[in-house]
Order: sequence, then structure tokens, then C-alpha cells
Amino acid sequence: QQPVQSPQAVILREGEDAVINCSSSKALYSVHWYRQKHGEAPVFLMILLKGGEQKGHEKISASFNEKKQQSSLYLTASQLSYSGTYFCGTEDPRGNQGGKLIFGQGTELSVKP
Amino acid sequence: DAGVTQSPTHLIKTRGQQVTLRCSPKSGHDTVSWYQQALGQGPQFIFQYYEEEERQRGNFPDRFSGHQFPNYSSELNVNALWLGDSALYLCASSFGTGTEKLFFGSGTQLSVL
Repeated sequence: QQPVQSPQAVILREGEDAVINCSSSKALYSVHWYRQKHGEAPVFLMILLKGGEQKGHEKISASFNEKKQQSSLYLTASQLSYSGTYFCGTEDPRGNQGGKLIFGQGTELSVKP
Repeated sequence: DAGVTQSPTHLIKTRGQQVTLRCSPKSGHDTVSWYQQALGQGPQFIFQYYEEEERQRGNFPDRFSGHQFPNYSSELNVNALWLGDSALYLCASSFGTGTEKLFFGSGTQLSVL
């Protein structure tokens, strides 16, 4: 079943923060985050494995709450380059399902000057 | 180092026709996954190829078939095209079938008239 992302869209000014949420009705093994700019390929941001780890890269970080079957992506001090559509992809916990991701419907993020 | 390459970039077909899309994985990758992305939606998993075999399959009819060659490149074939098959078809490569980040190609935009 497809994970649900919220919000569907968000508009920010440069320097503002944003949180994108991803919820699943099924148990999860991992959560993946990708960003896709218009007309381009999705680009990998990070993978979170069950255990509640918070991973980060520069000003983008994420958390994964296995019990709540939720993940959140945190964008701090947003830059114009952060604009795009963010997708979470969930992986089935049955094992050996690597590469088979169930993606959410996406969150469109626009950062204005 | 070339990333994931897909061809053609755009394709127009009519209902009932057949189409073949091609993908070359990133250097060093041996696994290819195919996704269908309808406008405004997240990518949907079609199937995955590893060691020249279909390892996993999403909820797509048998009209969708594929192949992987000894050099790890892959083809996606769709028979008896429907209007609803119009979408962006993305190829993603990775190393192995575990939980790995995916590298996506820019996709083939298929329009069925």
C-alpha cells in the first residue's frame, strides 16, 4: 500500500525550514527519500533503516519511527536549489526486497528568493 | 563515469502497438529496476532484473515484460499498448538486491494516442 505524504505542497522563502512527513499503514524495513526536479531523474537523498536513526546530510536530515511507521524529512535554512518534488519510498520488511520501493505521491516544495 | 542512460527519450505510439525501451545501468551496477511514473504521481515499481532474471514484480499485467543482458543492460517491452500506458518510464540501477540507493535515469516519456 502506498505511503501517504504530507503536505502535498509547500512554498518557502529562502532560509525557512520545512518538514515533510511520510506515513505507512504497513510495517516498514526502510524508508528512502528522493528529490526530483521538473524534467529530471529522481536523485537519492538518504536511506533510513528501522531503529529510529536520524540521518543527515548538510542541512537535510530525516528520522524514522518504526513503531509509528512514519518518517520525516527536515529541511533547514532552505536554499533555492531545494525546490523540487520529494518522494518517500518504503521497503517491505519481508526481506530481499531491495530495489522494490513503494513511493508516496510526492510533496512539491518551492523555495522563493 | 556515465550514469544510468535510457533510450529513447520520447516516444509516440498508437493503441495496440508494441514498444521497447532500453536502459544501461551505471558502471559497476548489476541490478536494474523499472518504474512507471504517471503525471503528478510517484514512481510505481514494475519489475527488477538481476543475473538476467526477473527477481521481483509489481502489480503490472503480463503485457509488461523485460529482459536483462549479460552486460547488465535491460529492456522493457510493453505489448498491446493502452492509452493508460502513457507515462514516464524510469530505469534505476543498483548493486545487488539488498537495501541500496537507486540511481535513476532521466526516463523515456511514452505517449499512447
